[in-house]
Amino acid sequence: GEDVEQSLFLSVREGDSSVINCTYTDSSSTYLYWYKQEPGAGLQLLTYIFSNMDMKQDQRLTVLLNKKDKHLSLRIADTQTGDSAIYFCAEIPGGSSNTGKLIFGQGTTLQVKP
Amino acid sequence: DVKVTQSSRYLVKRTGEKVFLECVQDMDHENMFWYRQDPGLGLRLIYFSYDVKMKEKGDIPEGYSVSREKKERFSLILESASTNQTSMYLCASSLPEGEQYFGPGTRLTVT
Repeated sequence: GEDVEQSLFLSVREGDSSVINCTYTDSSSTYLYWYKQEPGAGLQLLTYIFSNMDMKQDQRLTVLLNKKDKHLSLRIADTQTGDSAIYFCAEIPGGSSNTGKLIFGQGTTLQVKP
Repeated sequence: DVKVTQSSRYLVKRTGEKVFLECVQDMDHENMFWYRQDPGLGLRLIYFSYDVKMKEKGDIPEGYSVSREKKERFSLILESASTNQTSMYLCASSLPEGEQYFGPGTRLTVT
């Protein structure tokens, strides 16, 4: 079945770049998402990429998609302490586009040290 | 501004009690979802609904049921709460091919 994998933890220093990685199994995924969850809160959508794109940039965020390797990454430039959160990768599997059902990874906890 | 609200932020219930978790969205979305979130396991889908009175099981429906009598409201029901249902519960809504919008979550403790 569909599966999304992420590493569980990443620690960086303030001002450095962070790269959070994700792999997925469904080659017919239509959209792939990055969500951010701050402590005690729900998830908020950070950015998304359509499956026919290789890259998307939005201010400090860069999303790279390698469809051949089924690998998605989120790069945060100039990481700030306010970026400390859990980051979830998610995909809409190819057969689920009309229900909006998402498959989530386990979440990567990003710790930013001053 | 889009809004998904959940009836409680924190809830403590006893084993065997019937528990209702309510979720309301004001965006006229067709789809609504209930997830539970546990450390190291990410979000796991319990049930979802793509229309009023329609529901489908997610990955972990055992021990749960849902109700969607009105488009804006999706309820999660624990018929007889057990300690292994202690978790964070997240509700979300979306258009058929849009991103999901999440509520703030309900942290449920079953003692």
